[in-house]
Amino acid sequence: DTEVTQTPKHLVMGMTNKKSLKCEQHMGHRAMYWYKQKAKKPPELMFVYSYEKLSINESVPSRFSPECPNSSLLNLHLHALQPEDSALYLCASSQKTGGTEAFFGQGTRLTVV
Amino acid sequence: AQKITQTQPGMFVQEKEAVTLDCTYDTSDPSYGLFWYKQPSSGEMIFLIYQGSYDQQNATEGRYSLNFQKARKSANLVISASQLGDSAMYFCAMRGDSGYSTLTFGKGTMLLVSP
Repeated sequence: DTEVTQTPKHLVMGMTNKKSLKCEQHMGHRAMYWYKQKAKKPPELMFVYSYEKLSINESVPSRFSPECPNSSLLNLHLHALQPEDSALYLCASSQKTGGTEAFFGQGTRLTVV
Repeated sequence: AQKITQTQPGMFVQEKEAVTLDCTYDTSDPSYGLFWYKQPSSGEMIFLIYQGSYDQQNATEGRYSLNFQKARKSANLVISASQLGDSAMYFCAMRGDSGYSTLTFGKGTMLLVSP
C-alpha cells in the first residue's frame, strides 16, 4: 500500500470558520509534510514532521496550525484564513528523513470565501 | 540554496512519439537527489523517477528515463511512446539539504499528447 489519503477532497470555508485537513498513511513512514500549491504554481513546503515532532516550519502564518497525533496521521488546523489562502494543500510522506521519494496524497482544494 | 529551472511552459507531442522535458538545476551540495513528478488535473503528485547525484547510470522506469548530465547540471525527462494519459503537468524537483525529503520544485511543464 503506497497510498497517502487526504480528506476532504474539497473544502469551502468562510474567513471566520475553523476547519481541519486530514492526512493518513499506513506505509510506516516517519516523515510527513504539508505543501501549499497555488493555481499554476509549483508546490511550496509549509511544514515537516519527523517522528511526530515538528522539524521544519517555513515561516507559515499562525492561522495554519499543524498537528501530528501519531505516526500515521497529520492534521492541518485552519482558523481565520484569508481568500489568498485558497489553494491545493498537499500532504506527503517519506520512509525516512532524506534519500527517498516522497509519496503525495491527492490534495485538498481549499476555497476561502 | 537550491534552484530548479524548467524553461518549457508547455509541450505538444503526438501519441506514440517520444518527448523530452528539460530541467536544469543549481546547488552547492555535493550530494543531492533529482525527481520527476506528474500532476494530472486531479491534483495528485505522482512520483515518476529518481536520480541520485552519485548514480553512475541514468535512471529508467518503464517508458520514463532521466538523461542526467552532471557537468551541465541537467536532468531531462524522456518519455518514450507517449500516450494520451500522459497529458499532465510535469515537475522536476530537487531534494533539499535539510536532511529531510523536502522538495524544491521547478515551475513545471504542461505536456499535451494529441491523437
